Amino acid sequence: NAGVMQNPRHLVRRRGQEARLRCSPMKGHSHVYWYRQLPEEGLKFMVYLQKENIIDESGMPKERFSAEFPKEGPSILRIQQVVRGDSAAYFCASSPRQGMGEKLFFGSGTQLSVL
Amino acid sequence: DQQVKQNSPSLSVQEGRISILNCDYTNSMFDYFLWYKKYPAEGPTFLISISSIKDKNEDGRFTVFLNKSAKHLSLHIVPSQPGDSAVYFCAASAPTGNQFYFGTGTSLTVIP
Repeated sequence: NAGVMQNPRHLVRRRGQEARLRCSPMKGHSHVYWYRQLPEEGLKFMVYLQKENIIDESGMPKERFSAEFPKEGPSILRIQQVVRGDSAAYFCASSPRQGMGEKLFFGSGTQLSVL
Repeated sequence: DQQVKQNSPSLSVQEGRISILNCDYTNSMFDYFLWYKKYPAEGPTFLISISSIKDKNEDGRFTVFLNKSAKHLSLHIVPSQPGDSAVYFCAASAPTGNQFYFGTGTSLTVIP
């Protein structure tokens, strides 16, 4: 029973390039969350998606960042025109449903480095 | 605005002794709390949770205590083992919210 799969594990981009981070939730999970961890900080919520719907994107920067969770395939976090401040670990988590008592299952993360 | 706070960035404990990790929160709407453990280069893994209707939950060597009036929870690990060395995050959620709020983590080192 595979866990949450994220790829790539490491991604290096130059300033101005695009970064695409992929996340396949656990089997049977239809809720996906993206979190970002900056150096010396905790996990910051970015976006919560269900299949084909963005439920809460209150943690997403207003520009350059977007997320999707299509009917088929993984969830994608896309960062356009990356800047050095985007360097961070990006974690995806999934859950079978949302509500009291549910916990998040995390992937191993993608470490984004912007040169 | 950091709604969940872990004020101790690091903690060192001798093997076999008790580890106590603390967490404070500011939002009185939070009603479900979790602890996650994270090793370097890995994602956080769920450890233990507690809902606001309880003040204690125990799972093996791990016990979480919740003091709602003080908006404080703590994780007790006893006895501590070297394999427990990791970063521990507490997290909280509200019934009407869509996200879990995480603290900044406490790095625990258990000395053999």
